[in-house]
Amino acid sequence: QLQLQESGPGLVKPSETLSLTCTVSGGSFSGSTSCWAWIRQAPGKGLEWIGSIYYSGDTYYSPSLQSRVTMSVDTSKNQFSLKLTSVTASDTAVYFCATTAPGVQEHAFDIWGQGTMVTVSS
Amino acid sequence: EIVMTQSPVTLSVSPGERATLSCRASQTISNTLAWYQQKPGQPPRLLFSGASARAAGIPARFSGSGSGTEFTLTISSLQSEDFAVYYCQHYNNWPLAFGGGTKVEIK
Repeated sequence: QLQLQESGPGLVKPSETLSLTCTVSGGSFSGSTSCWAWIRQAPGKGLEWIGSIYYSGDTYYSPSLQSRVTMSVDTSKNQFSLKLTSVTASDTAVYFCATTAPGVQEHAFDIWGQGTMVTVSS
Repeated sequence: EIVMTQSPVTLSVSPGERATLSCRASQTISNTLAWYQQKPGQPPRLLFSGASARAAGIPARFSGSGSGTEFTLTISSLQSEDFAVYYCQHYNNWPLAFGGGTKVEIK
């Protein structure tokens, strides 16, 4: 059973870069489950798609965040990563990584990490 | 980009009653719609993909319908564990987008 686990600093200073990693375990990182997503949720708010990355390295980002977001894949470590630059308090959120298991329509996310809370504060 | 709008924002329902949640897309998305349930402190749980294909382990009291721009999630007889926030999400094209959510609360 594929499992995802987010990791990274829980506190980031304003104007700095938020960096998170999602580690994939329990299954094939390079198999048919080839697209990986980051999604966030500000406190008390709804879900916001940040972007998705394919195993090939192709990326798709939210237009509202595109200028500040970079996603990458490290196949040697079974990980994919998120970098968000020039953060402000509005970037405070729980950040989830997610993907889709084989047999489910791609981009309907049935596998989620538990989420990691990131607070932007000095 | 496609905007997803959910209604109502809050739905107050008594246990055992039927709940009907709506999701509207600003452009046609065929059936490329997912529904999620989220409880406090937990990640979302996929209920449906393809608008109506129930995910593994989802009880039959949940049903999804619709295509094009109008979609519905129905819970036929609300159980205590169903009180949660529900989100729709399209995956018709990039960028993906979620609706704002509907909170189903106990009446």
